[in-house]
Amino acid sequence: NAGVTQTPKFQVLKTGQSMTLQCAQDMNHEYMSWYRQDPGMGLRLIHYSVGAGITDQGEVPNGYNVSRSTTEDFPLRLLSAAPSQTSVYFCASSRSENYEQYFGPGTRLTVT
Amino acid sequence: DAKTTQPNSMESNEEEPVHLPCNHSTISGTDYIHWYRQLPSQGPEYVIHGLTSNVNNRMASLAIAEDRKSSTLILHRATLRDAAVYYCILRDTSGTYKYIFGTGTRLKVLA
Repeated sequence: NAGVTQTPKFQVLKTGQSMTLQCAQDMNHEYMSWYRQDPGMGLRLIHYSVGAGITDQGEVPNGYNVSRSTTEDFPLRLLSAAPSQTSVYFCASSRSENYEQYFGPGTRLTVT
Repeated sequence: DAKTTQPNSMESNEEEPVHLPCNHSTISGTDYIHWYRQLPSQGPEYVIHGLTSNVNNRMASLAIAEDRKSSTLILHRATLRDAAVYYCILRDTSGTYKYIFGTGTRLKVLA
């Protein structure tokens, strides 16, 4: 199993540009989530999904959209990038709400 | 959401046990206690979780106070590869799927 994969690994955007961070898992996990981690900080939950077609907001959802059309994929869209969105983004998946989460390697995003 | 409090940093000598404390005085009856760790430049990695009873696995042990207001992650013999940031998280099982990460404890292991 590849586990949780994220692309790209690094990305630089200009203010106002949009882009999609990709996340995929091959473990048939129902639960997937997106976090951001700012320098020296813990992770903050952006959005999460409890299954295909079902998504919900986390702590810091503003400026981000998600959709879950398949079990495997959970892309995160930045609508209009801002410097405050410079961060490392992690995607995670788990079998269900009471099982451990598996995290991807992260995407380092810089917005200038 | 219930919060956790952890020391910012701790040091341990290699091959010695490490006790990483976590306070969660506002824990509710439905909150599971989860521990994750994050090695440098990597995503977090699951360590252990429990509800009321002490738990053991191949990585660590989790000791939960009787009143559940605190817990301790125990690494039985620290190695240099255990140097990481350790997060204690309360997982609300009452209906929302939310993990609230704090800033964690940075563990330094001395050779």
